[in-house]
Amino acid sequence: NAGVTQTPKFQVLKTGQSMTLQCAQDMNHEYMSWYRQDPGMGLRLIHYSVGAGITDQGEVPNGYNVSRSTTEDFPLRLLSAAPSQTSVYFCASSEDNFKTQYFGPGTRLLVL
Amino acid sequence: KQEVTQIPAALSVPEGENLVLNCSFTDSAIYNLQWFRQDPGKGLTSLLLIQSSQREQTSGRLNASLDKSSGRSTLYIAASQPGDSATYLCAVRPEGLYAGGTSYGKLTFGQGTILTVHP
Repeated sequence: NAGVTQTPKFQVLKTGQSMTLQCAQDMNHEYMSWYRQDPGMGLRLIHYSVGAGITDQGEVPNGYNVSRSTTEDFPLRLLSAAPSQTSVYFCASSEDNFKTQYFGPGTRLLVL
Repeated sequence: KQEVTQIPAALSVPEGENLVLNCSFTDSAIYNLQWFRQDPGKGLTSLLLIQSSQREQTSGRLNASLDKSSGRSTLYIAASQPGDSATYLCAVRPEGLYAGGTSYGKLTFGQGTILTVHP
């Protein structure tokens, strides 16, 4: 199993540009989520999904959209990038609330 | 609101020493607690998962304990090695959010303990 994969590993955007961060898992996990990690702020939940077709907002959802058309994929869309979205983004998945949460390697995003 | 605190923020020890990392949380209504390791510039690697009904879990030189009623967990690392140097994060999975009729336990993370083991 590849586990949780994320692309790209690193991205530079200009303010106002849009992009999609890709996340995929091959463990048939129902639960998937996106976090951002910032110095001094720790990891914060952006959006989450409990299964295909079901998504909801986390702590910091503004400026981001998600969709879950398949069990495997959970892309995160930045609608109009802002410098405040400069961060490291992690995708995670788990089978349910009682199983281990697995994280992807992260995407480093720099918005100029 | 669930809050998770890790003490100390940083720890430097000589190789071979046994050490304890601490994690406390404010709301005891949790599904479980998970310890992670994060190397610089990398993702999070799960070390141990303790369910709310369990007292401890062990994996190799690592032992994690959970006292749910007092809101505390410890990660014990035996015979530390330079390769153990990393940031250690604890996260609790509180009972909570709902989406589509399913309860989703949002992980709440501590700020982490930066561990340095020097030769």
